[in-house]
Amino acid sequence: QSVLTQPPSVSGAPGQRVTISCTGSSSNIGAGYDVHWYQQLPGTAPKLLIYGNSNRPSGVPDRFSGSKSGTSASLAITGLQAEDEADYYCQSYDSSLSGWWVFGGGTKLTVL
Amino acid sequence: EVQLVESGGGLVQPGGSLRLSCAASGFTFSSYEMNWVRQAPGKGLEWVSYISSSGSTIYYADSVKGRFTISRDNAKNSLYLQMNSLRAEDTAVYYCARHSGSYWGYFDYWGQGTLVTVSS
Repeated sequence: QSVLTQPPSVSGAPGQRVTISCTGSSSNIGAGYDVHWYQQLPGTAPKLLIYGNSNRPSGVPDRFSGSKSGTSASLAITGLQAEDEADYYCQSYDSSLSGWWVFGGGTKLTVL
Repeated sequence: EVQLVESGGGLVQPGGSLRLSCAASGFTFSSYEMNWVRQAPGKGLEWVSYISSSGSTIYYADSVKGRFTISRDNAKNSLYLQMNSLRAEDTAVYYCARHSGSYWGYFDYWGQGTLVTVSS
């Protein structure tokens, strides 16, 4: 059971907009720690997609955006493309006794 | 170009040991904190261990504390993970990942991973 909760799967048609939620608690997201997002294409290593809640590393298309509010965060993908089909993970820091750096369980995005 | 290349994975019996290595290039390794993150087959990501740039500060996930040891050799631009008393549940792809941002930050570069299989 992951410290951060994500929906197991989401789907959308090409060109559509999808969002992926990431719900935490008062010891992680709600404590003010930033949320970061990773994209893992099939058979590859994770890649940083969003850092510091809403910042995109160089090379990441502006179709990807992130936001954070309270104890939750969201990743939005607009203009969905076939190559966006991947697993997406949120990550934050947890200040509880069993904390440190924590991930969501991951969300499988299917492009219909 | 930042590159992280893991090695040392393989098949090991329960109770056995394995030492993973991560060779870093394309950045000043001694200036960065580093981590190990693992992913069991078909499962999500799990942070395993953190080491500060000098090696003086180290943290472990509860699931590996007392069995795994992280270390680094800044002269060789290398990160290590000594894994002892291995269990079936340690079976995973192990990634080394560069730490970025603040102390409670994120992982901006990842290696390709090395598979560790614990089975008799």
